[in-house]
Amino acid sequence: AQSVTQLDSQVPVFEEAPVELRCNYSSSVSVYLFWYVQYPNQGLQLLLKYLSGSTLVESINGFEAEFNKSQTSFHLRKPSVHISDTAEYFCAVSETSGTYKYIFGTGTRLKVLA
Amino acid sequence: GAGVSQSPRYKVAKRGQDVALRCDPISGHVSLFWYQQALGQGPEFLTYFQNEAQLDKSGLPSDRFFAERPEGSVSTLKIQRTQQEDSAVYLCASSLFGQEDTGELFFGEGSRLTVL
Repeated sequence: AQSVTQLDSQVPVFEEAPVELRCNYSSSVSVYLFWYVQYPNQGLQLLLKYLSGSTLVESINGFEAEFNKSQTSFHLRKPSVHISDTAEYFCAVSETSGTYKYIFGTGTRLKVLA
Repeated sequence: GAGVSQSPRYKVAKRGQDVALRCDPISGHVSLFWYQQALGQGPEFLTYFQNEAQLDKSGLPSDRFFAERPEGSVSTLKIQRTQQEDSAVYLCASSLFGQEDTGELFFGEGSRLTVL
């Protein structure tokens, strides 16, 4: 069985500052890793995913995440945040076989302050 | 619209009532998922359909929960004899391909159920 831990439930940060949202996972099998974002009053949207290959993956709006197998982590980073990045961010994993069952973390609420 | 549509967006039920939540996935999407999201928690898997076949219902919390997708498109999640612990947001998601797909899930906005 897999599990996902997001230790930070809330992260306040000033606009244009860097941010890191932490995600650690536990699994006895190979996994795919995802970050989903939920903006206020909207559904969850895929932000980025790691399936294979380069361990550093990027999104179109400046976020990046690095898969670290030895530390079982997939932390999300952005060098300079905007007010519009205020949202809840969920880390998720799924097995590389039978990939339909995504396991989500409890989420981190990012609040960007002016 | 072209996204996943869920209805109703908000439902208030008295304890013991039956409720039905509807999900209209993106046209042509093979896979459909139901998740339950309690306050302050991440989404938790309930059940999975590939076309009309329910391949996994291991996440349904009790036999009061029932899901169907009879024609492989619209799905309904039914909760019988609702209890206060059923209060949550119920999320529906769809995916284009089948079980081996590693692509993204497209989520609806959810149905928020409050049981009094």
